[in-house]
Amino acid sequence: QVQLKESGPVLVQASETLSLTCTVSGFSLTNYGVIWVRQPPGKGLEWMGIIWRNGNTDYNSALKSRLSINRDTSKSQVFLKMNSLQTDDTAIYYCTGGWFAYWGQGTLVTVSS
Amino acid sequence: DVVMTQTPPSLSVAIGQSVSISCKSSQSLVYSDGKTYLHWLLQSSGRSPKRLIYQVSNLDSGVPDRFSGTGSQKDFTLKISRVEAKDLGVYYCAQTTHFPNTFGAGTKLELK
Repeated sequence: QVQLKESGPVLVQASETLSLTCTVSGFSLTNYGVIWVRQPPGKGLEWMGIIWRNGNTDYNSALKSRLSINRDTSKSQVFLKMNSLQTDDTAIYYCTGGWFAYWGQGTLVTVSS
Repeated sequence: DVVMTQTPPSLSVAIGQSVSISCKSSQSLVYSDGKTYLHWLLQSSGRSPKRLIYQVSNLDSGVPDRFSGTGSQKDFTLKISRVEAKDLGVYYCAQTTHFPNTFGAGTKLELK
Protein backbone atom coordinates (compact mmCIF):
# COMPACT_ATOMS: atom_id res chain seq x y z
CA GLN A 1 0.00 0.00 0.00
CA VAL A 2 1.52 3.28 -1.13
CA GLN A 3 1.53 6.10 1.40
CA LEU A 4 3.11 9.52 1.55
CA LYS A 5 3.16 11.75 4.58
CA GLU A 6 4.36 15.33 4.86
CA SER A 7 5.81 16.71 8.06
CA GLY A 8 7.31 19.99 9.14
CA PRO A 9 6.53 23.26 10.87
CA VAL A 10 3.05 24.75 10.70
CA LEU A 11 4.28 28.33 11.25
CA VAL A 12 7.29 29.99 9.71
CA GLN A 13 8.42 33.59 9.97
CA ALA A 14 8.75 35.69 6.85
CA SER A 15 12.25 35.69 5.34
CA GLU A 16 13.05 32.36 6.97
CA THR A 17 13.52 28.95 5.38
CA LEU A 18 10.86 26.25 5.15
CA SER A 19 11.94 22.64 5.56
CA LEU A 20 9.46 19.85 4.88
CA THR A 21 9.85 16.10 4.80
CA CYS A 22 7.84 13.63 2.77
CA THR A 23 8.10 10.08 4.10
CA VAL A 24 6.98 7.42 1.66
CA SER A 25 6.11 3.77 2.06
CA GLY A 26 4.99 1.09 -0.33
CA PHE A 27 7.43 2.09 -3.05
CA SER A 28 11.10 2.87 -3.50
CA LEU A 29 12.33 6.35 -4.32
CA THR A 30 14.71 4.74 -6.79
CA ASN A 31 11.74 3.45 -8.77
CA TYR A 32 9.42 6.47 -8.71
CA GLY A 33 9.80 10.20 -8.63
CA VAL A 34 8.15 12.48 -6.09
CA ILE A 35 6.58 15.83 -6.87
CA TRP A 36 5.85 18.69 -4.50
CA VAL A 37 2.63 20.62 -5.10
CA ARG A 38 1.25 23.50 -3.07
CA GLN A 39 -2.17 25.07 -2.74
CA PRO A 40 -2.76 28.50 -1.19
CA PRO A 41 -5.95 28.61 0.87
CA GLY A 42 -8.99 28.65 -1.40
CA LYS A 43 -6.89 28.57 -4.57
CA GLY A 44 -5.66 26.08 -7.13
CA LEU A 45 -2.70 23.73 -7.36
CA GLU A 46 0.85 24.84 -8.13
CA TRP A 47 3.54 22.39 -9.24
CA MET A 48 6.74 23.15 -7.38
CA GLY A 49 9.27 20.57 -8.45
CA ILE A 50 10.18 16.94 -8.86
CA ILE A 51 12.94 14.63 -7.74
CA TRP A 52 13.26 11.87 -10.28
CA ARG A 53 13.99 8.28 -9.46
CA ASN A 54 17.62 8.84 -10.46
CA GLY A 55 17.90 11.74 -8.03
CA ASN A 56 17.81 14.50 -10.64
CA THR A 57 15.54 17.44 -10.00
CA ASP A 58 13.42 19.89 -11.97
CA TYR A 59 11.90 23.00 -10.52
CA ASN A 60 9.18 25.49 -11.31
CA SER A 61 11.11 28.39 -12.79
CA ALA A 62 9.13 30.81 -10.62
CA LEU A 63 10.52 29.13 -7.49
CA LYS A 64 13.84 27.80 -8.72
CA SER A 65 16.01 30.45 -7.07
CA ARG A 66 14.53 29.65 -3.64
CA LEU A 67 13.75 25.94 -3.82
CA SER A 68 15.71 22.73 -3.43
CA ILE A 69 14.51 19.15 -3.29
CA ASN A 70 16.66 16.31 -2.02
CA ARG A 71 16.16 12.81 -0.70
CA ASP A 72 17.49 10.07 1.54
CA THR A 73 16.63 6.80 -0.17
CA SER A 74 17.68 4.74 2.86
CA LYS A 75 15.01 6.48 4.91
CA SER A 76 12.48 6.74 2.06
CA GLN A 77 12.33 10.47 2.61
CA VAL A 78 12.20 13.44 0.28
CA PHE A 79 13.06 16.90 1.54
CA LEU A 80 11.86 20.30 0.40
CA LYS A 81 13.67 23.46 1.37
CA MET A 82 12.52 26.89 0.32
CA ASN A 83 14.13 30.09 1.53
CA SER A 84 13.13 33.74 1.75
CA LEU A 85 9.54 32.88 2.58
CA GLN A 86 6.86 35.52 2.18
CA THR A 87 3.25 35.58 3.33
CA ASP A 88 2.06 34.48 -0.10
CA ASP A 89 3.94 31.22 0.42
CA THR A 90 1.22 30.32 2.93
CA ALA A 91 -0.27 27.14 1.52
CA ILE A 92 -1.00 23.47 1.95
CA TYR A 93 2.09 21.62 0.78
CA TYR A 94 1.62 18.16 -0.71
CA CYS A 95 4.00 15.50 -1.87
CA THR A 96 2.72 13.19 -4.55
CA GLY A 97 4.02 10.15 -6.40
CA GLY A 98 3.18 8.05 -9.40
CA TRP A 99 2.31 11.08 -11.52
CA PHE A 100 -0.36 12.23 -9.09
CA ALA A 101 -1.68 8.73 -8.41
CA TYR A 102 -0.69 8.96 -4.75
CA TRP A 103 -0.89 11.98 -2.43
CA GLY A 104 0.02 12.79 1.12
CA GLN A 105 -2.56 14.40 3.36
CA GLY A 106 -0.85 17.74 2.96
CA THR A 107 0.55 20.08 5.57
CA LEU A 108 -0.63 23.65 6.04
CA VAL A 109 2.26 26.05 6.39
CA THR A 110 1.49 29.59 7.48
CA VAL A 111 4.07 32.30 6.91
CA SER A 112 3.81 35.02 9.48
CA SER A 113 5.05 38.56 8.99
CA ASP B 1 4.99 27.23 -19.35
CA VAL B 2 2.01 25.33 -20.75
CA VAL B 3 -1.22 27.07 -19.85
CA MET B 4 -4.17 24.81 -19.08
CA THR B 5 -7.53 26.50 -19.57
CA GLN B 6 -10.46 24.80 -17.91
CA THR B 7 -14.08 25.64 -18.54
CA PRO B 8 -16.48 26.24 -17.01
CA PRO B 9 -15.08 27.45 -13.67
CA SER B 10 -18.15 26.10 -11.95
CA LEU B 11 -21.08 23.83 -12.66
CA SER B 12 -24.36 23.36 -10.82
CA VAL B 13 -25.75 19.92 -11.35
CA ALA B 14 -28.68 17.82 -10.21
CA ILE B 15 -28.02 14.29 -9.03
CA GLY B 16 -28.34 11.94 -11.97
CA GLN B 17 -27.46 14.58 -14.51
CA SER B 18 -24.46 14.32 -16.85
CA VAL B 19 -21.81 17.03 -17.17
CA SER B 20 -18.71 17.75 -19.20
CA ILE B 21 -15.62 19.77 -18.33
CA SER B 22 -13.26 21.12 -20.96
CA CYS B 23 -9.50 21.50 -20.68
CA LYS B 24 -7.44 23.15 -23.41
CA SER B 25 -3.67 23.41 -23.39
CA SER B 26 -1.54 26.11 -24.97
CA GLN B 27 0.72 23.46 -26.52
CA SER B 28 0.25 19.94 -27.75
CA LEU B 29 0.50 17.43 -24.92
CA VAL B 30 1.80 14.62 -27.10
CA TYR B 31 5.17 13.54 -25.76
CA SER B 32 8.05 12.27 -27.87
CA ASP B 33 7.03 8.71 -27.00
CA GLY B 34 3.68 9.28 -28.69
CA LYS B 35 1.72 9.26 -25.45
CA THR B 36 -0.36 12.14 -24.11
CA TYR B 37 0.18 12.90 -20.44
CA LEU B 38 -3.07 14.63 -19.57
CA HIS B 39 -4.72 13.65 -16.31
CA TRP B 40 -7.86 14.51 -14.37
CA LEU B 41 -7.98 14.97 -10.60
CA LEU B 42 -10.82 15.48 -8.14
CA GLN B 43 -10.38 17.36 -4.90
CA SER B 44 -13.29 16.87 -2.51
CA SER B 45 -13.75 19.45 0.19
CA GLY B 46 -10.95 19.39 2.74
CA ARG B 47 -9.22 16.44 1.08
CA SER B 48 -6.10 15.85 -0.96
CA PRO B 49 -6.57 15.61 -4.69
CA LYS B 50 -7.29 12.20 -6.12
CA ARG B 51 -6.37 11.17 -9.62
CA LEU B 52 -9.33 9.80 -11.60
CA ILE B 53 -8.00 9.48 -15.11
CA TYR B 54 -4.47 9.30 -16.50
CA GLN B 55 -3.19 9.70 -20.04
CA VAL B 56 -6.43 11.18 -21.34
CA SER B 57 -8.77 8.23 -20.98
CA ASN B 58 -7.48 5.57 -18.57
CA LEU B 59 -9.51 5.21 -15.38
CA ASP B 60 -7.61 4.77 -12.16
CA SER B 61 -8.40 1.72 -10.08
CA GLY B 62 -11.73 2.00 -8.30
CA VAL B 63 -12.99 4.91 -10.39
CA PRO B 64 -16.48 4.16 -11.70
CA ASP B 65 -17.05 4.02 -15.42
CA ARG B 66 -19.44 6.94 -15.10
CA PHE B 67 -16.26 8.93 -15.60
CA SER B 68 -14.72 9.12 -19.04
CA GLY B 69 -11.97 11.17 -20.63
CA THR B 70 -11.49 12.01 -24.28
CA GLY B 71 -9.41 14.31 -26.39
CA SER B 72 -6.11 14.72 -28.16
CA GLN B 73 -3.32 17.20 -28.81
CA LYS B 74 -4.58 20.34 -27.06
CA ASP B 75 -8.27 19.71 -26.43
CA PHE B 76 -9.60 17.40 -23.73
CA THR B 77 -12.90 16.65 -22.04
CA LEU B 78 -13.96 14.94 -18.83
CA LYS B 79 -17.49 13.60 -18.83
CA ILE B 80 -19.35 12.48 -15.74
CA SER B 81 -22.52 10.51 -16.36
CA ARG B 82 -25.26 10.19 -13.74
CA VAL B 83 -23.61 12.48 -11.21
CA GLU B 84 -23.69 11.28 -7.61
CA ALA B 85 -23.25 13.32 -4.45
CA LYS B 86 -19.77 11.89 -3.90
CA ASP B 87 -18.68 13.37 -7.25
CA LEU B 88 -18.92 16.92 -5.92
CA GLY B 89 -15.76 18.95 -5.51
CA VAL B 90 -13.17 20.66 -7.68
CA TYR B 91 -11.90 18.95 -10.82
CA TYR B 92 -8.46 19.75 -12.18
CA CYS B 93 -6.78 18.79 -15.39
CA ALA B 94 -3.03 18.38 -15.18
CA GLN B 95 -0.31 17.85 -17.75
CA THR B 96 2.97 16.04 -17.18
CA THR B 97 4.21 16.16 -20.77
CA HIS B 98 6.11 19.40 -20.35
CA PHE B 99 8.07 20.93 -17.51
CA PRO B 100 7.06 22.53 -15.34
CA ASN B 101 3.97 20.36 -15.10
CA THR B 102 0.90 22.56 -14.87
CA PHE B 103 -2.69 22.40 -13.70
CA GLY B 104 -5.90 23.93 -14.86
CA ALA B 105 -7.53 26.45 -12.52
CA GLY B 106 -10.22 23.96 -11.58
CA THR B 107 -13.94 23.42 -12.14
CA LYS B 108 -16.13 23.39 -9.07
CA LEU B 109 -18.98 20.91 -9.32
CA GLU B 110 -21.83 21.80 -7.00
CA LEU B 111 -25.35 20.60 -6.35
CA LYS B 112 -28.11 22.56 -7.98
